[in-house]
Formats: sequence, C-alpha cells, structure tokens
Amino acid sequence: EIVLTQSPGTLSLSPGERATLSCRASQSVSSSYLAWYQQKPGQAPRLLMYGASNRATGIPDRFSGSGSGTDFTLTISRLEPEDFAVYYCQQYGSSPRTFGQGTNLEIK
Amino acid sequence: QVQLQESGPGLVKPSQTLPLTCTVSGGSITSGSYYWSWIRQPAGKGLEWIGRIYTSGSTNYNPSLKSRVTISLDTSKNQFSLQLSSVTAADTAVYYCARETYSSGWFLDYWGQGTLVTVSS
Repeated sequence: EIVLTQSPGTLSLSPGERATLSCRASQSVSSSYLAWYQQKPGQAPRLLMYGASNRATGIPDRFSGSGSGTDFTLTISRLEPEDFAVYYCQQYGSSPRTFGQGTNLEIK
Repeated sequence: QVQLQESGPGLVKPSQTLPLTCTVSGGSITSGSYYWSWIRQPAGKGLEWIGRIYTSGSTNYNPSLKSRVTISLDTSKNQFSLQLSSVTAADTAVYYCARETYSSGWFLDYWGQGTLVTVSS
C-alpha cells in the first residue's frame, strides 16, 4: 500500500500569508491521482483538489495544487480566516486508497 | 445536489457486528457511474478507507479489514450499508459514507456528516 507522509504536521501562519503544504508518497502515484481535502472540527472532509492540480467545484482560486510522481504540494496563496483547518492528501491511483496523516493549519 | 446521511447504533458491544446505513438523496444510487464508499476516523486521528461498492454491486475492500467487512446496496431504499463484524475498541471511530466519482480516476466528491460509533461493553 502507498504510504503518504504530510509535512509539516502543524503550520502556524497569519491571515494574508501564503501556505505551502507537502504530501510525499512512498511510491509513485499513478497518473497523479492525488486529492486534497479540508476538514474543520466536527465536519466531514471537503474535496478541494483532484488529479493533483484540478480545483473542485466552488473552490476559490487561492487554492492550487501541483506535483507528480511522489511529491505533491497544496498552496494557499493568501490565507483567509476560514482556511484554518486540517488538510489531508489522498491517493486514489491504487488500492487500497490511503490518506496522509494531515497537516493542521492554525492561526499564528 | 446529492446528499448522504449515515445512520446506525452509536454503541456496539465488543465481538458484535457494527451495522451502518447511508441514505442517498438528490439522485438514484443506481444512476450514473459511481462508487459508494465508507471511510472512518478514530478520534483525533487520520482517515482510513474501508471499502466501496459500485452501482453494479461489485466491491473493493481494504485488505486490513477485508475479512470483517461487507458493503451492500439496497436500491429499493436508495441506500448502501456497511457491516463490520467482530468489533473491538479499535473500531471506535466516526464513520463516513461518501460517493466516488470519475474524472480521470475515481475520487471522493461528496461525503456524509459522519456518525460516531463507540465499541464498549
């Protein structure tokens, strides 16, 4: 199974700053089948990105994704107060689907 | 817009079977090409994919749970279900149902709100 390692575990930033979240896979993710989800306390995860770089419906363009192979990045260009949450990457190129352990983006 | 809602007992005794149901609204569970999935999240921890069922009824399970998991469809009620047998405290988690859609690969696009299941005597 593909193990996804996210870094950093916690990221402390201020609104307006740029956030860069990393997701590294233990082996190549086929066809860049990688998604990013945002989860707020007490809520279900929400799809942000799929195919590594495609924004899901309704996701603002301050969110962008990049990467291929084993290294992927989620970038939030200018943080808004509602962006502070936990972010998970997930690969869906092979079974079983696996998730990273999450990055907690907190207000500094 | 499709909506999913989990339901089931909040408390299950060890060694018993955990039964959960996901009710889908806003569309037929058999229309289109979708997988219907279960994912769980222990308190304060990350997400674990349990398995999925296609509209045709074919299934895929996480090998770590495969011997204990059954996912099925009830098309007459527009629902799909999870049964997890021989549960232990390690199965205590929030359980989510979700839909997988295809766009150059199958990914989870809609999720239910989740339901907490506690395994305890």
